[in-house]
Amino acid sequence: SQQGEEDPQALSIQEGENATMNCSYKTSINNLQWYRQNSGRGLVHLILIRSNEREKHSGRLRVTLDTSKKSSSLLITASRAADTASYFCAPFLGAGGSYIPTFGRGTSLIVHP
Amino acid sequence: DAGVIQSPRHEVTEMGQEVTLRCKPISGHDYLFWYRQTMMRGLELLIYFNNNVPIDDSGMPEDRFSAKMPNASFSTLKIQPSEPRDSAVYFCASSPRTGPPSPLHFGNGTRLTVT
Repeated sequence: SQQGEEDPQALSIQEGENATMNCSYKTSINNLQWYRQNSGRGLVHLILIRSNEREKHSGRLRVTLDTSKKSSSLLITASRAADTASYFCAPFLGAGGSYIPTFGRGTSLIVHP
Repeated sequence: DAGVIQSPRHEVTEMGQEVTLRCKPISGHDYLFWYRQTMMRGLELLIYFNNNVPIDDSGMPEDRFSAKMPNASFSTLKIQPSEPRDSAVYFCASSPRTGPPSPLHFGNGTRLTVT
């Protein structure tokens, strides 16, 4: 199976600051997805970045991908208290690879108002 | 669309009892996944189905766990007999097709407590 590992495990910041979370994985991928989980809820898809992309934006989210280092980062700019959640990355294998969507333990983000 | 619907939201049972968790995927989604989330182990994939057929059940912890998908709109995860270590949040997710670029759509989970 292909599993991403998020770092740090926990992150605590003040509202307005930027939050950066990292993801590392071990094998070649086709794309990588980031998800958010609010307390007591299921995961919600945030953004997908393909292996031939280096950077992608969606609102206040910026995702980068470095396939040579097998790593990705999720940046949340101008954070808000509502961004408090856990964030997970999910690397997806290329064509012909076994599709088993697995997740790590996530990064727990707390944004203080 | 109502999204993925799981029931019940909370289940408290005594050790040794049978527990059945239910999931209704999003209409038209071909893939259905069951996950278990605990503080110790994070989010674990238990089993997934494609077109109602179980594809990979290697994550099912023991024979006490079983999952079925009798039709495209319904799946169950059963634990018999239940044990305290089964206490966790169980999530169901569905996806239109395997691989990119389709994301997974998760339900809000069933929190199971076995005393």
